[in-house]
Amino acid sequence: EDQVTQSPEALRLQEGESSSLNCSYTVSGLRGLFWYRQDPGKGPEFLFTLYSAGEEKEKERLKATLTKKESFLHITAPKPEDSATYLCAVHAFSGGYNKLIFGAGTRLAVHP
Amino acid sequence: DGGITQSPKYLFRKEGQNVTLSCEQNLNHDAMYWYRQDPGQGLRLIYYSQIVNDFQKGDIAEGYSVSREKKESFPLTVTSAQKNPTAFYLCASKFGTSMNTEAFFGQGTRLTVV
Repeated sequence: EDQVTQSPEALRLQEGESSSLNCSYTVSGLRGLFWYRQDPGKGPEFLFTLYSAGEEKEKERLKATLTKKESFLHITAPKPEDSATYLCAVHAFSGGYNKLIFGAGTRLAVHP
Repeated sequence: DGGITQSPKYLFRKEGQNVTLSCEQNLNHDAMYWYRQDPGQGLRLIYYSQIVNDFQKGDIAEGYSVSREKKESFPLTVTSAQKNPTAFYLCASKFGTSMNTEAFFGQGTRLTVV
């Protein structure tokens, strides 16, 4: 069964304390893995797309990496404004159609 | 400004009522999607449309209906048949129909049954 699992569910960091969020997936024939940021009560904001194992992308304090089984979102020297829920999604052909399968997200809180 | 606009931001439904959530985009995107988000769960696909006058059911379509009469608009109706409609509803759109390009989301509608 196609599945996306994110860990941890919640993460609390001190400002400047670097860490990583994990997204593990089981899909047949990965065609794209997407990272989104979601603030409370808002829609998800697109961050990155990764297509193949070994690929990396960076944006400010965020760096996303991809292997054959998982993706990591590395946060370097986070600031309080990085607090949000981070969602991971993969493209899969499941149930007879192409669709995005989302993980439940990681709630990140960065404290001063 | 280009983007996806969902309205209203908050919506209250009485038992037995149908309600319609609006989604409009001016990005000239072909595909549009409706997702439902519940606490502690990933987004779940309700319906999607890749072209005007055509749409397909997603994983949790029961109790919902949609229409796609214009490229820019994809309204979602939550019918009285949906037994647990309280949730955060998200509309998304993307250019083209290939799934390896990113989708962009509106700001959501929070629906509460009263």
